Amino acid sequence: GAGVSQTPSNKVTEKGKYVELRCDPISGHTALYWYRQSLGQGPEFLIYFQGTGAADDSGLPNDRFFAVRPEGSVSTLKIQRTERGDSAVYLCASSLTTSTDTQYFGPGTRLTVL
Amino acid sequence: EDKVVQSPLSLVVHEGDTVTLNCSYEVTNFRSLLWYKQEKKAPTFLFMLTSSGIEKKSGRLSSILDKKELFSILNITATQTGDSAIYLCAVEAQGTDKLIFGTGTRLQVFP
Repeated sequence: GAGVSQTPSNKVTEKGKYVELRCDPISGHTALYWYRQSLGQGPEFLIYFQGTGAADDSGLPNDRFFAVRPEGSVSTLKIQRTERGDSAVYLCASSLTTSTDTQYFGPGTRLTVL
Repeated sequence: EDKVVQSPLSLVVHEGDTVTLNCSYEVTNFRSLLWYKQEKKAPTFLFMLTSSGIEKKSGRLSSILDKKELFSILNITATQTGDSAIYLCAVEAQGTDKLIFGTGTRLQVFP
């Protein structure tokens, strides 16, 4: 596709449930990033993939958060036992090769945990 | 700790006004500074700055970086209602892959 796409655009879940958020990067981009943006804040880094491997996962807040990118293209961010504090917009970005290339963002998934 | 501070937090202007948005940073081993415009959810890329004193320009928008004083400004001339958005500043450090964002400046342009 022309840009980064993310699904779903909105997700409402109950506390304690499991959710999966999907990111489809720009075709040919090998680097993929997940960020989380809380209301009134800038995006905060979660994890970075180069190809299939997580090159930097230092931003994942705890072990309830996990992300995969099994074929080096689409990535899924998985959140177990969701908490109300997980409510935020989850943004995905991709760049052509390494992190020195510009990161292009998708429209995000707004997650609401009730 | 690496950080980015943007000011003002919010700005309200009339169409035709010129605005200047500020971004100051503290980062170990600076590599680049980026500006993004966020209208709904997706931040859209505006500029990447790596060298001091070289202005980047795109239409009515321009930006410059001062690596000695550790700040950047984003100028928008002859503002239009379509410029209303949150403007995000981010920095990237050498040897890392993540962008560190400020909280953004919310710009509202009224006719």
